[in-house]
Amino acid sequence: DTAVSQTPKYLVTQMGNDKSIKCEQNLGHDTMYWYKQDSKKFLKIMFSYNNKELIINETVPNRFSPKSPDKAHLNLHINSLELGDSAVYFCASSQQQEKLFFGSGTQLSVL
Amino acid sequence: GENVEQHPSTLSVQEGDSAVIKCTYSDSASNYFPWYKQELGKRPQLIIDIRSNVGEKKDQRIAVTLNKTAKHFSLHITETQPEDSAVYFCAVLNTGTASKLTFGTGTRLQVTL
Repeated sequence: DTAVSQTPKYLVTQMGNDKSIKCEQNLGHDTMYWYKQDSKKFLKIMFSYNNKELIINETVPNRFSPKSPDKAHLNLHINSLELGDSAVYFCASSQQQEKLFFGSGTQLSVL
Repeated sequence: GENVEQHPSTLSVQEGDSAVIKCTYSDSASNYFPWYKQELGKRPQLIIDIRSNVGEKKDQRIAVTLNKTAKHFSLHITETQPEDSAVYFCAVLNTGTASKLTFGTGTRLQVTL
C-alpha cells in the first residue's frame, strides 16, 4: 500500500495548456503539502492544507490552484503553463507539520 | 522568515570514511530538525530527526547533533557505503501560526569504492 500516491508520474505538455496533478494519502494525516523541486534540487514549499483548509500559500502565482476535497486528497491545477513551471512537483503529508511523507513526484516538462 | 544554509553542496568520500554535513538556521524559536535523503529519481525520505531539547541522536551509522546556542546542526554518517550516495537535505520547522518546514539547499554525497 503506497502511503502517499500522486499521478501522473510524468507530464509533458505545451506552453499555455492547463494540467492537473492528483495526490492521495492513506496515512490519516491532517496536513498535506505541495513542494516544487527545481533543476538545482531546491525543495520549496508551495502550499499547505490542514484538514482541507489552506494554511500556507508561498507567493505562488495564482495560475496554481490547489484543491482539497477532503483531508486525504490534495490536487494541484495549473493554468496557462509556462516554461519556468518545468520541475518535479512533490505532494507530501504529515501529522502536525513533522515527519513529512512524500509522494513519488510528478516530473512536469513544459515545451 | 527562516533562513537555512547547508554545506557543503557536494561531498565525495571513500567507502568506509565518515561524512559530515552542516546546517545553520536563523530562527532561535525553531524546535524540530529533520534530515531527508533523496536517491536519484526518488522521493525525499526522512532518515533521522532531532528536537530542540536533545543535543544528539544516533541511529546505527547515522547521527545528528544540535547546537541551539550557535543555531547549527549536523548529520554524521560513519562507515559510509555506496548506497549512502544521494542528496541529503536538512530542514527546520518554524514555529508560529503557520509553521512549516524550510529545507536547506541539499548536499550531494558521493561514496566512491
